[in-house]
Amino acid sequence: KAGVTQTPRYLIKTRGQQVTLSCSPISGHRSVSWYQQTPGQGLQFLFEYFSETQRNKGNFPGRFSGRQFSNSRSEMNVSTLELGDSALYLCASSLVPLDRGEYEQYFGPGTRLTVT
Amino acid sequence: GQNIDQPTEMTATEGAIVQINCTYQTSGFNGLFWYQQHAGEAPTFLSYNVLDGLEEKGRFSSFLSRSKGYSYLLLKELQMKDSASYLCAVRDRLLRGSTLGRLYFGRGTQLTVWP
Repeated sequence: KAGVTQTPRYLIKTRGQQVTLSCSPISGHRSVSWYQQTPGQGLQFLFEYFSETQRNKGNFPGRFSGRQFSNSRSEMNVSTLELGDSALYLCASSLVPLDRGEYEQYFGPGTRLTVT
Repeated sequence: GQNIDQPTEMTATEGAIVQINCTYQTSGFNGLFWYQQHAGEAPTFLSYNVLDGLEEKGRFSSFLSRSKGYSYLLLKELQMKDSASYLCAVRDRLLRGSTLGRLYFGRGTQLTVWP
């Protein structure tokens, strides 16, 4: 079965712009989580959506937002981009929500965002 | 917030055994995960511990002591393909009686396996 897909794979934006990233989970998975990975901070949890509802949220400013559609596909939006937003953005999907049991999540290949 | 510590780098030789330690401080605990991440690739799930003790999965085992805030990942019969970054992640618990929480990752331990 197909894995988690993310589009686009690479993106270059300028400061002040906004960006929308897309994630399609594994078929049947209803949980989608988003992460930011940078060399300095490592992998950081942004938020998790389950059945179209944001269920868990990390410590990121309100410029970072997301949503999930009825087919479980998810989008993440970053407004008013800053240089520090340059990172690899990973999404992961799971059958169960993040806070339940043996949460086994499968990561997508990521979107490499560069802000200039 | 959470504090998760693991060594930055480790090296070992093929066929050897290596133990990667992870210590954590959390305001609530609801499980610990280990992931493997090869350079340029996404992380892949390795193991999950929520109760004290050892979980074994083939060449990989993971141990948890909740009272000590400590876990380790044990890799046996090392192979060159085990060269990767190993990430320890802790799921916290936002409120007592609630399962809602977040996932916090350590910076990762870069393991290099030499022939």
